[in-house]
Amino acid sequence: DAMVIQNPRYQVTQFGKPVTLSCSQTLNHNVMYWYQQKSSQAPKLLFHYYDKDFNNEADTPDNFQSRRPNTSFCFLDIRSPGLGDAAMYLCATSRESSGAYEQYFGPGTRLTVT
Amino acid sequence: TQLLEQSPQFLSIQEGENLTVYCNSSSVFSSLQWYRQEPGEGPVLLVTVVTGGEVKKLKRLTFQFGDARKDSSLHITAAQPGDTGLYLCAGFMEYGNKLVFGAGTILRVKS
Repeated sequence: DAMVIQNPRYQVTQFGKPVTLSCSQTLNHNVMYWYQQKSSQAPKLLFHYYDKDFNNEADTPDNFQSRRPNTSFCFLDIRSPGLGDAAMYLCATSRESSGAYEQYFGPGTRLTVT
Repeated sequence: TQLLEQSPQFLSIQEGENLTVYCNSSSVFSSLQWYRQEPGEGPVLLVTVVTGGEVKKLKRLTFQFGDARKDSSLHITAAQPGDTGLYLCAGFMEYGNKLVFGAGTILRVKS
């Protein structure tokens, strides 16, 4: 089945220790997004790729970086995680369909910072 | 200020009751989407509405897009415990190719 896969589902890292979260998709969608979601809140967009074009949200901290080496894969790098970065990180993909960009989310990676 | 105001934030009801969740904005959206999210999982798309005044039904769920494409509602008839979750509305902004999410409504249906 076509889907959005995130690994790992749970990640524990130490304060200040770099961590990378990964996302892959078999939907062949040209747009990929990374969101941060804290408990029972709406997802907050960090950045997105439209094909290879990288779009950073104005309020995304410099601590967060992203790479998209090809259509299928996208990575979220947190260079120096702080306690406030503990959250669920959601990857999503989309493509244009009848004027709407419907988003398909992965199951998320729950990041804990100790 | 939230671009898309969603209300109520929290709803706890008994099985069999009806409920409505609202999303309102001063901005026009080219489409509006509703998602449902269960704990520990990613949001799952329920419906997309594109045309002003559009009404879509998904079993006991009825979605409406306002005539001016600035607001939307989700109505659930005879809620069941399986409807429990976080409901998110999201408006698509053509400028920037991105979704703007409402704050979400946590729905709890008690049996």
